[in-house]
Amino acid sequence: ELKVEQNPLFLSMQEGKNYTIYCNYSTTSDRLYWYRQDPGKSLESLFVLLSNGAVKQEGRLMASLDTKARLSTLHITAAVHDLSATYFCAVDTYSGGGADGLTFGKGTHLIIQP
Amino acid sequence: EAQVTQNPRYLITVTGKKLTVTCSQNMNHEYMSWYRQDPGLGLRQIYYSMNVEVTDKGDVPEGYKVSRKEKRNFPLILESPSPNQTSLYFCASTYLGGGEKLFFGSGTQLSVL
Repeated sequence: ELKVEQNPLFLSMQEGKNYTIYCNYSTTSDRLYWYRQDPGKSLESLFVLLSNGAVKQEGRLMASLDTKARLSTLHITAAVHDLSATYFCAVDTYSGGGADGLTFGKGTHLIIQP
Repeated sequence: EAQVTQNPRYLITVTGKKLTVTCSQNMNHEYMSWYRQDPGLGLRQIYYSMNVEVTDKGDVPEGYKVSRKEKRNFPLILESPSPNQTSLYFCASTYLGGGEKLFFGSGTQLSVL
């Protein structure tokens, strides 16, 4: 059974600081996704990482994937209040015959204070 | 506009009263899926479908049914809802083959009394 673990699960940080959210998973996969969820809202796709060493950046967020370590990171640079949200990583258990679906981590609730 | 539409947005019902949550997508996606989101547990997959008339169980299928008679629609059916099915439900869709992001509906907050 695939397990996806995020840490931390809760993070309170100040504007202007840098921080990293970690996503570990338990089985081989080279497809990892990051989503953002605002309170009371649906999930919004942030990044799709499809190979070892993949790095994607959008604004103050940068995601990377190390398939050998089974680890993805979401790095926040010079945080601003608008980035306050819950961030989920998800791993694809695609098994050749079709997409089995994503297994999600429990989410990291990020609060950025002025 | 490309979207996944779920209805209703909010639903309060009583134990045992059958209900259906509808999901429709206008992107011609082969793959559709239902998730439930509970505090501290993240999102867990209930059922998924890779095409018309093809459905399969996810991680938590007990107490739920789905059907995929048309490519665009993937309703979630609770034949006899129970309080432990109180949750926030999301429908999602994408192209088959993997490597594509999921498009999520706006969610259905279900309360079973």
